[in-house]
Amino acid sequence: KAGVTQTPRYLIKTRGQQVTLSCSPISGHRSVSWYQQTPGQGLQFLFEYFSETQRNKGNFPGRFSGRQFSNSRSEMNVSTLELGDSALYLCASSLGADSNQPQHFGDGTRLSIL
Amino acid sequence: DQQVKQNSPSLSVQEGRISILNCDYTNSMFDYFLWYKKYPAEGPTFLISISSIKDKNEDGRFTVFLNKSAKHLSLHIVPSQPGDSAVYFCAAPRGNTDKLIFGTGTRLQVFP
Repeated sequence: KAGVTQTPRYLIKTRGQQVTLSCSPISGHRSVSWYQQTPGQGLQFLFEYFSETQRNKGNFPGRFSGRQFSNSRSEMNVSTLELGDSALYLCASSLGADSNQPQHFGDGTRLSIL
Repeated sequence: DQQVKQNSPSLSVQEGRISILNCDYTNSMFDYFLWYKKYPAEGPTFLISISSIKDKNEDGRFTVFLNKSAKHLSLHIVPSQPGDSAVYFCAAPRGNTDKLIFGTGTRLQVFP
């Protein structure tokens, strides 16, 4: 069974640009969540999608957005990139909320802002 | 407010011995807890979970203990192996959602 797939694995951008990251969940999983990992802040929740609807959003500025498609694949977008956006962006999928099922993570996209 | 805390940033254990990783939480509404292991340049890998209706869950070399009155959980790895060297995170979902609140992680090093 294929795991969570994130593309691209590595990305280099410059300040002011925008970026789109992609996540394909495990087949049958309908919930997709995104996290940002930085050395100083650890793993921070960005947002969660279920059946194409955003169910939860973390404390990030509006430059961070996402969406989920009917096949449960998800994208996140960051506009007007800042140096502080350099991080590992992780996507996780699960069967769905309130199921007490573990989330399974992809290997992330390493975003570097120059 | 750090609702899930891992107060030990690192732990070093000899191969074959027991590794004990600790986690404390402040939100008494948490009813499900998870442990993840993370290698560099990879995403976290789910290890084991426990529901608040239990006080112990075991899976092979991994056992998680939950003490609800103390708001404390621990992960025991026995025997420890060099391949267990990684960063371990405890996490809890907030409310009826998939929003995971993570601890800051404990780096485990298992030496021969």
